[in-house]
This record gives sequence, structure tokens and C-alpha cells, in this order.
Amino acid sequence: EPEVTQTPSHQVTQMGQEVILRCVPISNHLYFYWYRQILGQKVEFLVSFYNNEISEKSEIFDDQFSVERPDGSNFTLKIRSTKLEDSAMYFCASSELSYEQYFGPGTRLTVT
Amino acid sequence: GQQLNQSPQSMFIQEGEDVSMNCTSSSIFNTWLWYKQEPGEGPVLLIALYKAGELTSNGRLTAQFGITRKDSFLNISASIPSDVGIYFCAGLAGSNYKLTFGKGTLLTVNP
Repeated sequence: EPEVTQTPSHQVTQMGQEVILRCVPISNHLYFYWYRQILGQKVEFLVSFYNNEISEKSEIFDDQFSVERPDGSNFTLKIRSTKLEDSAMYFCASSELSYEQYFGPGTRLTVT
Repeated sequence: GQQLNQSPQSMFIQEGEDVSMNCTSSSIFNTWLWYKQEPGEGPVLLIALYKAGELTSNGRLTAQFGITRKDSFLNISASIPSDVGIYFCAGLAGSNYKLTFGKGTLLTVNP
């Protein structure tokens, strides 16, 4: 069964550093998303991406964040200058239509 | 913003028991999704609901989309130890793409 994959599984970085989180969505899906989950809290929407552009973003997704689909298979989330409060699990998701969103296993980002 | 109130926060049940959890909102959602998350993993989609009043089953799981479009419930029948995890409801509203998640119900099943 096709699945969303994410790398790395765990990323440790120092405050102020740039990080890139990578995702390979399910191959025939057209919509791509990033969500985050701070430890012990609910999953929060960051951004959705369709047809090579951002279709919606939350207030969390400020100028420090960017997304890119650099080729036909990868979807990346970049945080330019990480802050302590960026520490969270980051989930990539994809969907064929914008309804049933399938999530990857997540990248645990730890900012020290 | 839109919020989903999910209850109960946690449940401790014996293997073989049935369990029910629900989500309510003050605003209308067009699609309800139920996910299960196990420690250190991503949410796994269990059931998707598209129409008010819709009742859908997936094995021992049954979910309903409330007639007012402001609520949904998930039932698990004859629970087994591997049902342990956090169950999240999530909704899509209007024409946007973002899922709004509830805070989750932590289910513990005692064998």
C-alpha cells in the first residue's frame, strides 16, 4: 500500500539554524500539506500546497517557513532560523482530492 | 478559529468492551475524518464521512456524521489490546484544505 515517507525521522538543530524537512507524498496525489504537533498537543495545520503554489496557510506559517516541490516526488518544508518553540513533530500529508489526507510518520525536530 | 471539542479525554476499558467517543463543534464541517495515532507515529486515517447523517463502518469501527454537521462520533466494538492509541477527530470546513483536529481521546485497553 502506498504511503507518505518523511526524512529524517529526528533532526536536532541549534537555535538560529536552518532546517529542511523532506517528504515524499503518495505518487498520484495532488495536494500536499504540512502539519505540526507540539508534544502532548493536538495536530495543527501549517500549510497546503497544490499546483505548485500555496493554497492556504495558517498564522503559524510566518516568513520563517517556506515550502517547495523541487521535483516530481519531493515536498520540503524549510525553517530559515529555528526557534526553541519550533520544537515539535512535523507531519507531511497528501491527498488525491482535498478530503482524505494521509499522513507520514513525522520528523521530530528538536531545537536546542 | 474553528475548534473541535473531543470527549472523553481518556478512557480505560477492558478488552472486549465497546467504546464510544465524540466530537462537537460550534461551526459546520463538510467532512469529518477519524484518525488513530500511536506513540512516535503519524495519524492513520480510519474513517472518512462526507454527508450529514452518514453512518460508515470499517471493521469494528463505526462512525457517524451528525445531522447538524456539527458533530461526529466513533464507536469501537469488542475492543482488543491493539486498539490502544490516541483517536483524533478532524474536520474540513468550507472550501479550504486545512484539517482542524480535536485534542484526541487516549484509549487504554486492559487485556
